[in-house]
Amino acid sequence: QKEVEQNSGPLSVPEGAIASLNCTYSDRGSQSFFWYRQYSGKSPELIMFIYSNGDKEDGRFTAQLNKASQYVSLLIRDSQPSDSATYLCAVCPSGNTPLVFGKGTRLSVIA
Amino acid sequence: NAGVMQNPRHLVRRRGQEARLRCSPMKGHSHVYWYRQLPEEGLKFMVYLQKENIIDESGMPKERFSAEFPKEGPSILRIQQVVRGDSAAYFCASSPGLADDIQYFGAGTRLSVL
Repeated sequence: QKEVEQNSGPLSVPEGAIASLNCTYSDRGSQSFFWYRQYSGKSPELIMFIYSNGDKEDGRFTAQLNKASQYVSLLIRDSQPSDSATYLCAVCPSGNTPLVFGKGTRLSVIA
Repeated sequence: NAGVMQNPRHLVRRRGQEARLRCSPMKGHSHVYWYRQLPEEGLKFMVYLQKENIIDESGMPKERFSAEFPKEGPSILRIQQVVRGDSAAYFCASSPGLADDIQYFGAGTRLSVL
């Protein structure tokens, strides 16, 4: 049973702070890792993907992957109230296979 | 460049009726995935299709649910004899396939069963 675990939150951070979201996965052979943002009542929106160990930065977002620890994280710098949403961690066991999602972490950025 | 298109956005059915959900993938994408999201739950995989083929239906209930992706036209998820427990958001995602496995999601269909 492939599983992806996330802290459900809510995670509350003040505006301008760094938000740190964490995810662990059970399938050691997983290949691809994704972070989606989902606003209430909306569809998941891809914000980051990472395939290799280490950090990947895109604007205010940094994804970090540690395959040995089966751990992937998302850092959001200079958090804004508009970042308040549920962040879904998704893992792809191998190329072009269904994603396995965590239940998501609710982030609340307080102005 | 249109994204993944799903319709209808909202669908209300009475128990026992049929629900048909449609998904047109992004241009150039040949892989379609259907996921279901129950209230306050994460997304759960249902079925993965390529044109005219079901690749993986391990997440789809064996009864009442079926899916297709014909050579022409959208992918369709069909739920027969709906029950209240089928009320959920149903999302379709598409990907190009081959070396690119990034999945992009449509806006979803919110099914309410009365």
